[in-house]
Amino acid sequence: KNEVEQSPQNLTAQEGEFITINCSYSVGISALHWLQQHPGGGIVSLFMLSSGKKKHGRLIATINIQEKHSSLHITASHPRDSAVYICAVRSGGSNYKLTFGKGTLLTVNP
Amino acid sequence: DVKVTQSSRYLVKRTGEKVFLECVQDMDHENMFWYRQDPGLGLRLIYFSYDVKMKEKGDIPEGYSVSREKKERFSLILESASTNQTSMYLCATWTRNSGELFFGEGSRLTVL
Repeated sequence: KNEVEQSPQNLTAQEGEFITINCSYSVGISALHWLQQHPGGGIVSLFMLSSGKKKHGRLIATINIQEKHSSLHITASHPRDSAVYICAVRSGGSNYKLTFGKGTLLTVNP
Repeated sequence: DVKVTQSSRYLVKRTGEKVFLECVQDMDHENMFWYRQDPGLGLRLIYFSYDVKMKEKGDIPEGYSVSREKKERFSLILESASTNQTSMYLCATWTRNSGELFFGEGSRLTVL
């Protein structure tokens, strides 16, 4: 079974700061997802990665397959980035099942 | 835009009642999932379906059943609701073509 660990669990930042959230997993994967959930809201997919790096606006996601590690970066953070960020991995042997991290609660203060 | 619609955002039911949670998607995705989300436990897979009338148990299927009679609709059924099924329930779809995940807004169920 793939274990997914996220760090930190909670993160408080000031508006404008550079944010990094980390995700480590224990076995080989076919893809990794970064998800965002605003308080009381549904979940939105931010990125799907199988290698390298992706960028969307102020968000950047990277993955190092050899080290079994991924990072989500937020540049010039804003209070509207306050949310729970969840890492989820799809193991190589399974087309359907995801293993989720427990999430990182990010609070960005103005 | 892909839309995954869950029938109810908030429900309050009594112990022993039968509960239906419906999920409808408009993108012809073959794979659909039901998760529950609890504080400190994250998302846990209840059931998933990879085709019409096909279903497989997830990690916590006990006390739940599912139905997928049409490709766009995946229903989660609690035959006899219990208080430990109080939770947020999330439906998701996934297509192998793009690999992207899409979630519904969630259904918060309280069982009294």
